Amino acid sequence: DAGVIQSPRHEVTEMGQEVTLRCKPISGHDYLFWYRQTMMRGLELLIYFNNNVPIDDSGMPEDRFSAKMPNASFSTLKIQPSEPRDSAVYFCASSSTLSWAEAFFGQGTRLTVV
Amino acid sequence: QKEVEQNSGPLSVPEGAIASLNCTYSDRGSQSFFWYRQYSGKSPELIMSIYSNGDKEDGRFTAQLNKASQYVSLLIRDSQPSDSATYLCAVIKENRDDKIIFGKGTRLHILP
Repeated sequence: DAGVIQSPRHEVTEMGQEVTLRCKPISGHDYLFWYRQTMMRGLELLIYFNNNVPIDDSGMPEDRFSAKMPNASFSTLKIQPSEPRDSAVYFCASSSTLSWAEAFFGQGTRLTVV
Repeated sequence: QKEVEQNSGPLSVPEGAIASLNCTYSDRGSQSFFWYRQYSGKSPELIMSIYSNGDKEDGRFTAQLNKASQYVSLLIRDSQPSDSATYLCAVIKENRDDKIIFGKGTRLHILP
């Protein structure tokens, strides 16, 4: 298995633009997690899905952020409009159970908003 | 008070010595504790988990938990240059629906 695949690996965008980050989980994994990592706040869970249904989005910072999982093999995290403070590394992870520590992480998307 | 606290480092340790990484947490109800290693530009990877007081050893790694002091540590014996990374401490409360909370990590530098 190729693991969790995220795209793009790097994204540079201007403030106010819409940004879409993509994630393909490991086949057969029912749980998908989106994390954000910054120097200031560390690694934070934004939202997680179970069987394509959002379960807990309490970590989503504000309404500018939205996440979808239209099918078992694809998820998106969208920021609209983007702001410089959204600059971070965004990780997607997937797991076969709700075992936080057993999730496999993707390589991340480094987002820079200028 | 931050939920999971770690010294940001960098912690410099000579090759072959023992590296000691520390983490404190605020929620006394926390039940599960984890250490992740994250190389620069890479994603976190789980290296140790511990659930009960005492020590847990896995190869060169030993995790230590003291719930009374709300303290968890990671010891790396015979440190190697390849151990140079950021180490993240993570904590989960009792309920399975509780989310994992990460510390900001400690940067470890093993000096050749």
